[in-house]
Amino acid sequence: GIQVEQSPPDLILQEGANSTLRCNFSDSVNNLQWFHQNPWGQLINLFYIPSGTKQNGRLSATTVATERYSLLYISSSQTTDSGVYFCAGQGGYQKVTFGTGTKLQVIP
Amino acid sequence: NAGVTQTPKFQVLKTGQSMTLQCAQDMNHEYMSWYRQDPGMGLRLIHYSVGAGITDQGEVPNGYNVSRSTTEDFPLRLLSAAPSQTSVYFCASRPDSNEKLFFGSGTQLSVL
Repeated sequence: GIQVEQSPPDLILQEGANSTLRCNFSDSVNNLQWFHQNPWGQLINLFYIPSGTKQNGRLSATTVATERYSLLYISSSQTTDSGVYFCAGQGGYQKVTFGTGTKLQVIP
Repeated sequence: NAGVTQTPKFQVLKTGQSMTLQCAQDMNHEYMSWYRQDPGMGLRLIHYSVGAGITDQGEVPNGYNVSRSTTEDFPLRLLSAAPSQTSVYFCASRPDSNEKLFFGSGTQLSVL
C-alpha cells in the first residue's frame, strides 16, 4: 500500500521565522498534495504538486518524485499559519492517503 | 457556489443507532470520498466513488455503507453505531483523478 510519512511531527516558530516541512512517500505514489487544517478544523488545499515547484505567496512547495519526497516552505511565518499541515499521496485506484501531519504553532 | 456541504455538523448517537451523514457538492465533480479523522492518526479513507453508480472501499470501510445515485450526493451510512466510530468525518471531492481535493467542513460524531 501507499506510505506517506511527515516530519517533524511538531514545530514551534517565532513569528517571522522560516520553516521547512518534509513529506516522504512510497514509490507507488504518483501525485502529491499539501493541506492546511486551521485551528477550527477546516481543511484547505495548498498545493497539488506531483513534481516540480509551485509558489503561492509566502508558501512554496517542491516535489522530487524520483527521490520520493516533497517539501513545504513557509517564509516569514504568521500566527495565522498555525494549525496542522498534511501531505497526501495518490496511488492506484485513485485512493488518496494522508500522512499523520505536522502540527505548527507560530507564537508572536 | 457552495462547494462541498456536509450535514449535520454535530451528532450524538447511542450505540446501535443508525444514521446517515450527508455530503453534497455543486461543482459537478466525478470523484467523491469520505474520511475519518482521529487524534494522532491523520485522515483515513473510508469509501470513495469515481462517478454515479460506482463506489469502492478505502482503508477503513467496516461499519459503513455508501451509495452514489447522483453526481452531486454521496451519503455515508452507519447501520449500527459503535463507540469506535466516534470521530470527525470529512467528505471530499475533485473533478477527476489528477486534480486538487476539496473538503467539506466536517461532521463531529459521538457514539455513546
